[in-house]
Amino acid sequence: GAVVSQHPSRVICKSGTSVKIECRSLDFQATTMFWYRQFPKQSLMLMATSNEGSKATYEQGVEKDKFLINHASLTLSTLTVTSAHPEDSSFYICSAIRSLNTEAFFGQGTRLTVV
Amino acid sequence: AQTVTQSQPEMSVQEAETVTLSCTYDTSENNYYLFWYKQPPSRQMILVIRQEAYKQQNATENRFSVNFQKAAKSFSLKISDSQLGDTAMYFCAFGLLKTSYDKVIFGPGTSLSVIP
Repeated sequence: GAVVSQHPSRVICKSGTSVKIECRSLDFQATTMFWYRQFPKQSLMLMATSNEGSKATYEQGVEKDKFLINHASLTLSTLTVTSAHPEDSSFYICSAIRSLNTEAFFGQGTRLTVV
Repeated sequence: AQTVTQSQPEMSVQEAETVTLSCTYDTSENNYYLFWYKQPPSRQMILVIRQEAYKQQNATENRFSVNFQKAAKSFSLKISDSQLGDTAMYFCAFGLLKTSYDKVIFGPGTSLSVIP
């Protein structure tokens, strides 16, 4: 199957700082990438849909200025959590779709801890 | 808007037995995709099986099979000969995937424990 790499897998940052998470499709060009947030023992909550070369589409209730998404190429999307606070601590997962009518492939996830 | 429901938060099964996980969804679309994803303790999401709505035949992948009832909007997963490695969270998911703006949304998940 296709490979999606997410980096870093774990990050600890101080409150008020920003942290960037990368999502790369290693062996295919992704038409669409998704960013999810997952709280312990809960499902994946879609944060935004990212298409290469265009602005991300954010879900209702997700702060655009706090969670900056950039999809600069067909193989890379980044999520930047700006001015992070402890309540932003969570598990963030990206996924990518190779083409329409195929399944989504997932990165390994990033555990963010804000102290 | 599409929704996905999984009514069983937790389930357990004896090793080598069969278990069925339930999923229902709501959509007004006619063509779409349904998925079952597995999330083991490593938290890596793994595709278990997918079903195209236009196909009447139920999808099968080795020990995993689905019962897709389009009219009832039901999509259950059957795991046969359960193994310890099947212990994980299982998420049912729905996707249109017709345009690059279509989402994949997930149900709340079912935590499956395989008991030795």
